[in-house]
Amino acid sequence: NAGVMQNPRHLVRRRGQEARLRCSPMKGHSHVYWYRQLPEEGLKFMVYLQKENIIDESGMPKERFSAEFPKEGPSILRIQQVVRGDSAAYFCATRRVGTDTQYFGPGTRLTVL
Amino acid sequence: GESVGLHLPTLSVQEGDNSIINCAYSNSASDYFIWYKQESGKGPQFIIDIRSNMDKRQGQRVTVLLNKTVKHLSLQIAATQPGDSAVYFCADPGGSQGNLIFGKGTKLSVKP
Repeated sequence: NAGVMQNPRHLVRRRGQEARLRCSPMKGHSHVYWYRQLPEEGLKFMVYLQKENIIDESGMPKERFSAEFPKEGPSILRIQQVVRGDSAAYFCATRRVGTDTQYFGPGTRLTVL
Repeated sequence: GESVGLHLPTLSVQEGDNSIINCAYSNSASDYFIWYKQESGKGPQFIIDIRSNMDKRQGQRVTVLLNKTVKHLSLQIAATQPGDSAVYFCADPGGSQGNLIFGKGTKLSVKP
């Protein structure tokens, strides 16, 4: 049973470019959370989605960041016009409906030059 | 505001010794906690969880203790091995929609 998958694992972008991060949940998991981790820090919640719905985006910056979880395909976290401060590890976590435990993917490490 | 934090940023133990990693939380309403292990360059890995109706829960070589009176929990690792070297986080899914609230983590180093 495959775990949570994220790609790419590493992403390098220049300032002003766009970054697209993908997350494929575990089989049977319909809830997706995105977190950001700065070096030497804990993970910070960004956004929570269910299929075709954004449930809570209170942790996500209002500008340049967006997320989606379409009916088919992976969840995508999109960062437009990246800046150096966006450099971080981005993790998604997924869970099954009716449960509390979230399982994490390996993360995407974004570096903005 | 709500927070989940750890007492020590680093912990160094000898291989074979027991490790104890502590965590304090502030929200009295929190009723479920999860310990995660994060190795360098990887995502957090679920270790063990505990609900507030329990004081103790045991897994394979790991035990979590919960003291609701002082809002404190600990992760005990028996016979610590080099493969246990990682950053350990306690987390509380007490966010508005079940999102996890993490502390900064404790980095465990195991000396051979």
